[in-house]
Amino acid sequence: SQQGEEDPQALSIQEGENATMNCSYKTSINNLQWYRQNSGRGLVHLILIRSNEREKHSGRLRVTLDTSKKSSSLLITASRAADTASYFCATAALTILTGGGNKLTFGTGTQLKVEL
Amino acid sequence: SQTIHQWPATLVQPVGSPLSLECTVEGTSNPNLYWYRQAAGRGLQLLFYSVGIGQISSEVPQNLSASRPQDRQFILSSKKLLLSDSGFYLCACKGDQPIWEKLFFGSGTQLSVL
Repeated sequence: SQQGEEDPQALSIQEGENATMNCSYKTSINNLQWYRQNSGRGLVHLILIRSNEREKHSGRLRVTLDTSKKSSSLLITASRAADTASYFCATAALTILTGGGNKLTFGTGTQLKVEL
Repeated sequence: SQTIHQWPATLVQPVGSPLSLECTVEGTSNPNLYWYRQAAGRGLQLLFYSVGIGQISSEVPQNLSASRPQDRQFILSSKKLLLSDSGFYLCACKGDQPIWEKLFFGSGTQLSVL
């Protein structure tokens, strides 16, 4: 079953605006990650935030994590047309099964469209 | 950093035919490897993962199997494809330091079973 659920499912904004995507999850986590996927391509890792962190920045990306609410948000500032893609959150479970090998559970994604 | 080679990029197969998708990894040794499937407009579902040669763990019961004959080779197979096997298949590899928890993905195989 899906651990993460992104909100909104689709988002359309103008270039230069900020884009905010949210992710909710169900179980305790070790870390939460955000990935980007261009249409028909593989996923690319954007940023990781650990369960003991509340906020993290990377370039135009800002991620927050609220473990009490089991939620995270990804903010892309000053968006560009090239940011058009699907964005997924992924969680690494706190409980690591023997030989579990760092499994990530992905959400359903937010499709972001940035228009000129 | 790791590079993942995955082929073919697209594949159209009839129902009942066999399947073999191959994934190879460069730039790391003894990696954890993963096969994910993505249905159209949906998230990723973990199918198999491997922590070493010959070690395969299945996440969901299905018509597929996986094998790891070499350290950096991961193969997804089926003896007889079903319509429900259609989807976008992604191979992934666990990262190295400093962020070993992140995954590197291949470019994917779009499988259409007709």
